Amino acid sequence: DGGITQSPKYLFRKEGQNVTLSCEQNLNHDAMYWYRQDPGQGLRLIYYSQIVNDFQKGDIAEGYSVSREKKESFPLTVTSAQKNPTAFYLCASSSLRQGNQPQHFGDGTRLSIL
Amino acid sequence: QQQVKQSPQSLIVQKGGIPIINCAYENTAFDYFPWYQQFPGKGPALLIAIRPDVSEKKEGRFTISFNKSAKQFSLHIMDSQPGDSATYFCAGSETSGSRLTFGEGTQLTVNP
Repeated sequence: DGGITQSPKYLFRKEGQNVTLSCEQNLNHDAMYWYRQDPGQGLRLIYYSQIVNDFQKGDIAEGYSVSREKKESFPLTVTSAQKNPTAFYLCASSSLRQGNQPQHFGDGTRLSIL
Repeated sequence: QQQVKQSPQSLIVQKGGIPIINCAYENTAFDYFPWYQQFPGKGPALLIAIRPDVSEKKEGRFTISFNKSAKQFSLHIMDSQPGDSATYFCAGSETSGSRLTFGEGTQLTVNP
């Protein structure tokens, strides 16, 4: 089945540590996105990429970094500069064919501080 | 960042009731308005979407009403069921890009 796989499901970060969240898709989608979800705040865009080796900052990029070396993969690193990293992180992808194409989401990674 | 404002934050109805969730947007360049449904511990899933050239779209028990002049749209769930209990998000985007701007979400509870 085609879809988006996020791993791990749960992740714990120690003080001063960088952690990387994995996102892989087999939908052959060009665009991929990372969102952060906090209670009562909806989904906020961290980074997005529309093509391999290129990505753009979203609304809350500070303290995060990404790479897009392959079309299928868009890992997110939460750096030690992100002082409040506890949240539910969602990865999504979409086609860039003509017209509005829906975003498809993975089942998220929940990050907590140790 | 142009916002999408969603209300209410939470909603409780009895089985068979018709919950209504409202959204208002600011960006007049938005021309695609999807609704997503999210169950606990899962990612959001596309429920239904509308473009502003129509005033209403219905898919099964779910209906979107759209008022372009007021820059508002709403989701109605007919004959609601306990299985509809979830968080619902509205969103908007421009044709020219693929970015979605999401509302804050509405937690719906349908009691048996």
